[in-house]
Amino acid sequence: DAKTTQPNSMESNEEEPVHLPCNHSTISGTDYIHWYRQLPSQGPEYVIHGLTSNVNNRMASLAIAEDRKSSTLILHRATLRDAAVYYCILRDSNFGNEKLTFGTGTRLTIIP
Amino acid sequence: DAGVIQSPRHEVTEMGQEVTLRCKPISGHDYLFWYRQTMMRGLELLIYFNNNVPIDDSGMPEDRFSAKMPNASFSTLKIQPSEPRDSAVYFCASRLQGTRTGANVLTFGAGSRLTVL
Repeated sequence: DAKTTQPNSMESNEEEPVHLPCNHSTISGTDYIHWYRQLPSQGPEYVIHGLTSNVNNRMASLAIAEDRKSSTLILHRATLRDAAVYYCILRDSNFGNEKLTFGTGTRLTIIP
Repeated sequence: DAGVIQSPRHEVTEMGQEVTLRCKPISGHDYLFWYRQTMMRGLELLIYFNNNVPIDDSGMPEDRFSAKMPNASFSTLKIQPSEPRDSAVYFCASRLQGTRTGANVLTFGAGSRLTVL
């Protein structure tokens, strides 16, 4: 599986935007970029995904570099409830490869 | 939709005892995954099923672990005999196979925290 690299931890002030980076220099053309987050004492939850174009949903935005070797998850206005571990994962779209491999993620701390 | 339902939420047992963890996936989902999370190893995929059939169990640590999915609405993960090193949070997740495989997302349960003394 192509690997991703994320900072171990980040801090941000409440009500400010947060940009969480992810490097995936070995991404293949069939890999989707997925982001999940895990709040304390909960299971991971889906945040957003994309292939080539930038994506927006109610939770976040995903900015994908033109060469697709990196991406950034953007939380537009962080709240205390956004404190979590954020995982950037590459998801092979070839049928039959169903594994979703989690790395160590980025632990986001929100400062009140 | 109640989401993925796991039970028990917490289990404390003694070494050597049998442990059974249960999972009810989201209705209509045809894939089910079992993950284990520890501080040392993070989230690891143990096994996954498609249409109740085990597809890949290469992540199952050893023969003490077994998983079954007797029908589309129920799966179990059994550890027999349990050991202290099995202490972890075990997550079940499910998803629906769509037309764009890479876009399919997982829905996780709240997890079962297992402590083996």
